[in-house]
Amino acid sequence: NAGVTQTPKFQVLKTGQSMTLQCAQDMNHNSMYWYRQDPGMGLRLIYYSASEGTTDKGEVPNGYNVSRLNKREFSLRLESAAPSQTSVYFCASSEARFGGSQPQHFGDGTRLSIL
Amino acid sequence: KNEVEQSPQNLTAQEGEFITINCSYSVGISALHWLQQHPGGGIVSLFMLSSGKKKHGRLIATINIQEKHSSLHITASHPRDSAVYICAVRDYDKVIFGPGTSLSVIP
Repeated sequence: NAGVTQTPKFQVLKTGQSMTLQCAQDMNHNSMYWYRQDPGMGLRLIYYSASEGTTDKGEVPNGYNVSRLNKREFSLRLESAAPSQTSVYFCASSEARFGGSQPQHFGDGTRLSIL
Repeated sequence: KNEVEQSPQNLTAQEGEFITINCSYSVGISALHWLQQHPGGGIVSLFMLSSGKKKHGRLIATINIQEKHSSLHITASHPRDSAVYICAVRDYDKVIFGPGTSLSVIP
């Protein structure tokens, strides 16, 4: 049982390049999330999808777009990468919106560096 | 002031010591989570609690709703407990994460 799988694990981009971070979960969860983690700060929500077919902005959505491709997959796209987007990105999923009676499950993270 | 604060920010302990990590929050919550992030980055959920106390092995989590405070205790600490411990609070439409406490247990 893989849980939440993120690809790639590491990526280096040049300013202005675009890329898509992929996330898939095999727990049949309804809700999925993208967070970024920066030194000294807590995880911050970029976008979330409470259920298949819906997406909503989180705390720090600027510069990102998301697609809930189906119930399993939720991708995060950087259209024109900026050095400020250098971070570790985590995808998470949960049965209910923001967890309900169960915790969120996290992927292993993607370390993204923008030069 | 951050909505979720943790103390200490960094902690070094000798193997076998009793460890306490604190979390204070300023918002109304429906639940509080303790998460563990190992070197290499993966995050796992340790506890979710909304009242009282929970225990799992050498880990104990307590919460005082009135004081808006939670503690994570580790008994008989071991080097494999070295990790970042994250407190997160949840209400209906959001989860707010603390900055984490970095724990290093030395043999």
